[in-house]
Amino acid sequence: GEDVEQSLFLSVREGDSSVINCTYTDSSSTYLYWYKQEPGAGLQLLTYIFSNMDMKQDQRLTVLLNKKDKHLSLRIADTQTGDSAIYFCAEINTGGFKTIFGAGTRLFVKA
Amino acid sequence: ETGVTQSPTHLIKTRGQQVTLRCSSQSGHNTVSWYQQALGQGPQFIFQYYREEENGRGNFPPRFSGLQFPNYSSELNVNALELDDSALYLCASSLIGTTGELFFGEGSRLTVL
Repeated sequence: GEDVEQSLFLSVREGDSSVINCTYTDSSSTYLYWYKQEPGAGLQLLTYIFSNMDMKQDQRLTVLLNKKDKHLSLRIADTQTGDSAIYFCAEINTGGFKTIFGAGTRLFVKA
Repeated sequence: ETGVTQSPTHLIKTRGQQVTLRCSSQSGHNTVSWYQQALGQGPQFIFQYYREEENGRGNFPPRFSGLQFPNYSSELNVNALELDDSALYLCASSLIGTTGELFFGEGSRLTVL
């Protein structure tokens, strides 16, 4: 089956690191993604990782992929109040036409 | 470079009515996907269009239909509206054969009374 699961809420203090976790089911996904949604807006791609990689770093963002456990994580270093949003983990299906999203993790950043 | 635009931004319909939502793809993109996002949920895939043909469909009934036009703009039509159709409808464009990144519009919020 196709399913992406992630925890619903995360609260951190400004300046701390945030880690958002996700599990997925389709082991043949070629790409895995993290999207961000701010209130009243559509989703915006934050970063992606190719399935043959274990880690990807992009400025404050670090993505870790554990293919054996089908686990994906997003670490945001030095979290700022502007990072408060909903973060969606997503995978693309084998046919490459459907991106499957988790329910989203709502990140609260306390000043 | 123009982003993805959707219209209308908000609309209210009653049960049994029909609705058409519109989307203009990002310049240069040849694929458009539609998603339904219920409150507090992640986007659910409705279908994708490529070269004016449906290229894949999610678990939605036939009363959800779509069109893609030669200029890559698109429509989502929903017939016989039900209360559960109330949601944010998101259009996303992409370029086939790349990383699969989706470029989303801000959505059309449909309320069915």
